[in-house]
Amino acid sequence: AQSVTQLGSHVSVSEGALVLLRCNYSSSVPPYLFWYVQYPNQGLQLLLKYTTGATLVKGINGFEAEFKKSETSFHLTKPSAHMSDAAEYFCAVSGQGAQKLVFGQGTRLTINP
Amino acid sequence: ETGVTQTPRHLVMGMTNKKSLKCEQHLGHNAMYWYKQSAKKPLELMFVYNFKEQTENNSVPSRFSPECPNSSHLFLHLHTLQPEDSALYLCASSQDPPGRVGRDEQFFGPGTRLTVL
Repeated sequence: AQSVTQLGSHVSVSEGALVLLRCNYSSSVPPYLFWYVQYPNQGLQLLLKYTTGATLVKGINGFEAEFKKSETSFHLTKPSAHMSDAAEYFCAVSGQGAQKLVFGQGTRLTINP
Repeated sequence: ETGVTQTPRHLVMGMTNKKSLKCEQHLGHNAMYWYKQSAKKPLELMFVYNFKEQTENNSVPSRFSPECPNSSHLFLHLHTLQPEDSALYLCASSQDPPGRVGRDEQFFGPGTRLTVL
């Protein structure tokens, strides 16, 4: 079975500061890892994904994430937060074989002016 | 229309009403999904369809009845719902090879905000 844990249901940073959203996963097979973003009154939009290959993955809107197998982590970062980054962020895991996409509980990111 | 569309965007219904949610994907995908998103729980996968055949039902109560007439359209028929069914219902689609449905990127609609009185 697979699972995802997002550390911190709410994260608040100042505009221009580093954004770090934490995600740890559990998977019995090599994982596929995803970050999605959900803006108010909208569906989820893919930010980035890791399947195989390079462990540092760059996504849209300046976000990136690094797959660290030894730490079973896939944390999402952005060097400088913008007001438009305020949203809910979901980490998700699936895997090779029969494992479907499983979502974490989400982290609400607030940007302070 | 592009992407995944859902109608209505908002729905208020009584416990004895019957209503339907509609989802349409304009991406040529083969798989479609219904998810429930409520305030205090992670996204819950409800149903999966692949080429209009249901491949997964995650122990969803029978008061939710899905219908997939073709690969582009997905419905969720609702009847005798409970207040705890109030949530955001999200539809998604994906293009996955056989044996890998639901494992890769999914494209989401904006959701239907359902309130059951």
